Amino acid sequence: QVQLQESGPGLVKPSDTLSLTCTVSGASINGYYWSWIRQPPGKGLEWIGYVYYSGSTHYNPSLASRVTISVDTSKNQFSLKLSSVTAADTAVYYCGRGSPTPGNWGQGTLVTVSS
Amino acid sequence: EVVMTQSPATLSVSPGERATLSCRASQNINGNLAWYHHKPGQAPRLLISGASTRASGIPARFSVSGSGTEFTLTISSLQSEDFAIYYCQQYNNWPPTFGQGTKVEIK
Repeated sequence: QVQLQESGPGLVKPSDTLSLTCTVSGASINGYYWSWIRQPPGKGLEWIGYVYYSGSTHYNPSLASRVTISVDTSKNQFSLKLSSVTAADTAVYYCGRGSPTPGNWGQGTLVTVSS
Repeated sequence: EVVMTQSPATLSVSPGERATLSCRASQNINGNLAWYHHKPGQAPRLLISGASTRASGIPARFSVSGSGTEFTLTISSLQSEDFAIYYCQQYNNWPPTFGQGTKVEIK
C-alpha cells in the first residue's frame, strides 16, 4: 500500500524559503509523476506543480517564479521549495502520487508563515 | 485559468438517501474532470477521473454524469463513511483547478 508523508518546518518567517519533503513508502519513486498541492485556511485547493521521476517539472504559472520541485530517487523522496514566502503562503501542503489526478495523497502538513 | 464552481456549499442528507452534487466549469473541459473525497485531517482520496472512471476500490454507488461545462456526482445511498467534503477538479487546461468543495453532512 502506497503511503506518502509530508515533513518540514511548521513555521516559516516572511521572506524565507519554505522547504518540505515527501517520503514515499510502499512504492518506488521511479515511473511516476509526483505532485504538490496546497490549501490555505478556509480556501480551496491550489495546484503547485509536479515532478517526474526523471526530474522534469511543471509548475503553476502563478507560483513558478518562486517554486522548485525536485526528486531524490535514492531516498524515495521528493521535495518542494517555495521562496520569498508571505502570509498568503500559509496553508496545508499535500504531496501526491500522480498528475494531474493524484491517486494517493499524504495527510498534509500545515505551514504557517509568521514572524 | 478555468474556474470551477460547486453547489451547494453544504448538503444535508440522511444515511441511505441519495446525494447529488454539482460542478460547473467556466469553459468546456472535454470531460477532463475528477472528483475527490476528503475528511479533514485525512488524506484526500481520488474517487473518479476522466469524468466517469472510478478509481480502484471505489464502490459503484458513486457515479458521474454530464459533459461540456456541467457535471454531477451522485452518491446513490449514503453510507457513514461518505459524509465528507467533495471536490471537483478540471485537468483539461494547465494549471489544474479545483472547486471550493461541497460538504455532505448528516441530516
